[in-house]
Amino acid sequence: AQKITQTQPGMFVQEKEAVTLDCTYDTSDQSYGLFWYKQPSSGEMIFLIYQGSYDEQNATEGRYSLNFQKARKSANLVISASQLGDSAMYFCAMSPWGGSEKLVFGKGTKLTVNP
Amino acid sequence: GAGVSQSPSNKVTEKGKDVELRCDPISGHTALYWYRQSLGQGLEFLIYFQGNSAPDKSGLPSDRFSAERTGGSVSTLTIQRTQQEDSAVYLCASSPPPTNNEQFFGPGTRLTVL
Repeated sequence: AQKITQTQPGMFVQEKEAVTLDCTYDTSDQSYGLFWYKQPSSGEMIFLIYQGSYDEQNATEGRYSLNFQKARKSANLVISASQLGDSAMYFCAMSPWGGSEKLVFGKGTKLTVNP
Repeated sequence: GAGVSQSPSNKVTEKGKDVELRCDPISGHTALYWYRQSLGQGLEFLIYFQGNSAPDKSGLPSDRFSAERTGGSVSTLTIQRTQQEDSAVYLCASSPPPTNNEQFFGPGTRLTVL
């Protein structure tokens, strides 16, 4: 079975600073995908970034980067230059076979960006 | 609209009644997923469709829950004899072929069982 652990129920960051949201995972699969989604208070789930288990380079998408440490089974999300609009719930998820089949989600981290 | 749509956006029902939730995926997306988000359980996978078939329905919590997809497009999630613990936001997502990295989510249906 796959499991995602997000140990930070809430995080605070000052506007324009960087923040790291932690995610560790557990799986016996050799091939898997790791995802981060953002859920603002409006409720929609917004895809942020993807990392495949065989990707050697860390994924980056604009201000988002994924710090992938395969041996430690961690996939932390780094948000650079935080903005007030980044305040939201952030979910780490994985799919067992490296493609977009069912997603297993962590409990989420609530990020608050302070002005 | 180009996104995933779900209806209704809110549904209030009485315990014991049946409800149907609808999902319209993005045109051309062959994969469709249902998830449930509740305060106590977080986000849980319910069922996955590839075309009209459901190769993975392992997340359906009981036989009161069923889903179908017709024409490789619209999907309906049906909950029979609703219980209070069914109260949650039901999210639908779709993704394009081939197996893709990103699932596009709809806005969800908030179900309240009184």
